[in-house]
Amino acid sequence: NAGVMQNPRHLVRRRGQEARLRCSPMKGHSHVYWYRQLPEEGLKFMVYLQKENIIDESGMPKERFSAEFPKEGPSILRIQQVVRGDSAAYFCASSPLAGGHEETQYFGPGTRLLVL
Amino acid sequence: AQSVSQHNHHVILSEAASLELGCNYSYGGTVNLFWYVQYPGQHLQLLLKYFSGDPLVKGIKGFEAEFIKSKFSFNLRKPSVQWSDTAEYFCAVRGGKLIFGQGTTLQVKP
Repeated sequence: NAGVMQNPRHLVRRRGQEARLRCSPMKGHSHVYWYRQLPEEGLKFMVYLQKENIIDESGMPKERFSAEFPKEGPSILRIQQVVRGDSAAYFCASSPLAGGHEETQYFGPGTRLLVL
Repeated sequence: AQSVSQHNHHVILSEAASLELGCNYSYGGTVNLFWYVQYPGQHLQLLLKYFSGDPLVKGIKGFEAEFIKSKFSFNLRKPSVQWSDTAEYFCAVRGGKLIFGQGTTLQVKP
């Protein structure tokens, strides 16, 4: 059973370009979470999605960032007009349940974004 | 507001030393508590979790954690660390989304 997959693992962008990060949850998981890890900091929640729905986006910056989890295909975290402060590791996690008592989130390897 | 605080930012130990990493949380409801480990260059892996029942939780690789409700704590312990335990350790509380502490970097000297 493959784990959570993220690609690309490393992404380099110039200021003003767009970054698209992909996350394929574990088989059977329909809940996806995105987290950002800035250098020397812990992970910060960004957004929680189910198929075709955004459940909680309280951690998403108001501008330039968007996320989707279509019915078919991976979840996408999109950052428009990237700035140097967007450089970070972006982790995706998935779980089979939503708020269930036994929910555990399983993390992907992350995408390390570097903005030049 | 929900929050997680890890007291130690950087811990250096010699092999075979005992380890205790502190974690305190602030959350008003029923908590689910987690410890994750991130080895250098790798993704987060679940070490152990507490949902209910026995407050002393056993995890992988000889780690354990104790949930003390009165102290809002969930400290991670290991009786004898190995060089391969060198990693970053994150405590997290779940009330819907996961709230992470800032992490503790553990360096084990051979």
